[in-house]
Amino acid sequence: EVQLVESGGGLIQSGGSLRLSCAASGFTVTSNYMSWVRQAPGKGLEWVSVIYIGGSTYYADSVKGRFTISRDNSKNTLYLHMNSLRDEDTAVYYCAKGTNSGLAFEYWGQGTLVTVAS
Amino acid sequence: QSALTQPPSASGSPGQSVTISCTGTSSDVGGYNYVSWYQQHPGKAPKLMIYEVNKRPSGVPDRFSGSKSGNTASLTVSGLQAEDEADYYCSAYAGRNTWVFGTGTRVTVL
Repeated sequence: EVQLVESGGGLIQSGGSLRLSCAASGFTVTSNYMSWVRQAPGKGLEWVSVIYIGGSTYYADSVKGRFTISRDNSKNTLYLHMNSLRDEDTAVYYCAKGTNSGLAFEYWGQGTLVTVAS
Repeated sequence: QSALTQPPSASGSPGQSVTISCTGTSSDVGGYNYVSWYQQHPGKAPKLMIYEVNKRPSGVPDRFSGSKSGNTASLTVSGLQAEDEADYYCSAYAGRNTWVFGTGTRVTVL
């Protein structure tokens, strides 16, 4: 059974850094593309970043240069390193496993809340 | 990377059908057949309901169907049931290895 469990969220000061983790089970994080998607309180979903099987990474303009997606194959875990955090980064962050075809997001974690306080 | 446009709300009585639109541009919805739809109940993670415009993952009822015409995609929920009451989001591949989500539609079962 595929499971994704995020952790690492919390309250952080504006300008600070945080690392989110997404522990995967039931599959390997290198077997498909993986993404981070966030949702500000009471708002819609926003795609944040993707890492492909080969390791290539891409970001939304809103986080480019500040966030870094990575993975640890030995721990079967996906990460999101967030620097220079801003108030507008406050959101629930979900990790998601990509579909085998169709460029969609098949499985999602339960999310972890990041609150940036100025 | 502007959000795709969805109506804020939609509603229907049990057993009826509701259709939600998702309007983008020729760079996202209109440019690829990579439109997906997600259902999200309050406080829960999104769930994939439709991918590649009109394909259903295993376990999703065939009451859910998707289509696309030009820059607008649609999700239809037929035979509405109480458990279909949720927020629905469309998403599209936007090229250059990026994705865009819709603004979201709250479906109410009357």
